[in-house]
Amino acid sequence: GESVGLHLPTLSVQEGDNSIINCAYSNSASDYFIWYKQESGKGPQFIIDIRSNMDKRQGQRVTVLLNKTVKHLSLQIAATQPGDSAVYFCAEGHQTGANNLFFGTGTRLTVIP
Amino acid sequence: GAVVSQHPSRVICKSGTSVKIECRSLDFQATTMFWYRQFPKKSLMLMATSNEGSKATYEQGVEKDKFLINHASLTLSTLTVTSAHPEDSSFYICSARWHGRPGNEQFFGPGTRLTVL
Repeated sequence: GESVGLHLPTLSVQEGDNSIINCAYSNSASDYFIWYKQESGKGPQFIIDIRSNMDKRQGQRVTVLLNKTVKHLSLQIAATQPGDSAVYFCAEGHQTGANNLFFGTGTRLTVIP
Repeated sequence: GAVVSQHPSRVICKSGTSVKIECRSLDFQATTMFWYRQFPKKSLMLMATSNEGSKATYEQGVEKDKFLINHASLTLSTLTVTSAHPEDSSFYICSARWHGRPGNEQFFGPGTRLTVL
């Protein structure tokens, strides 16, 4: 099966700084990637997605970068706020056909006020 | 839009009993729903894929007779943990794919915390 992993299990940043969370995936056939945010005791919340025909996608305060050559995905959060503290998961899957998503191990982001 | 609910949010039961967890898509139709299990400080592990009107597809290592899944309508899927034991204690999360909407985005429920005594 697919393997999706994260380089860092924890990340602490000062409020107002930018955060970068990294993710590596192993299935080169994956063409759809999503970042989720999960707060304690809650289900994952969609943040942003990107398809394999793109290298970069921006949302509100967040940017996802995809490097297919090295199978690497990153989530950048600008001006990190205390409310951003959570566990962040990347997930990989396919745009069509099989709907399964495979999740990475997660990174806990802690924002220091 | 795209709200998924789960019921109950938390359940405590005795060993040997069965527990049913409901997953509902409140404002959209979901042909496919997914059930995940999450241990503390761990990632989500896909247990099974549930398609409306057909049998669920289970991931390797997940016991079909232990975790019964029913997807009777386009807005409801249920997971029944049969003869629960303490090792079944976990956080169970469902997700749903919006029927007819392009892409493979999954919308997640808030999860159900199961504790088996």
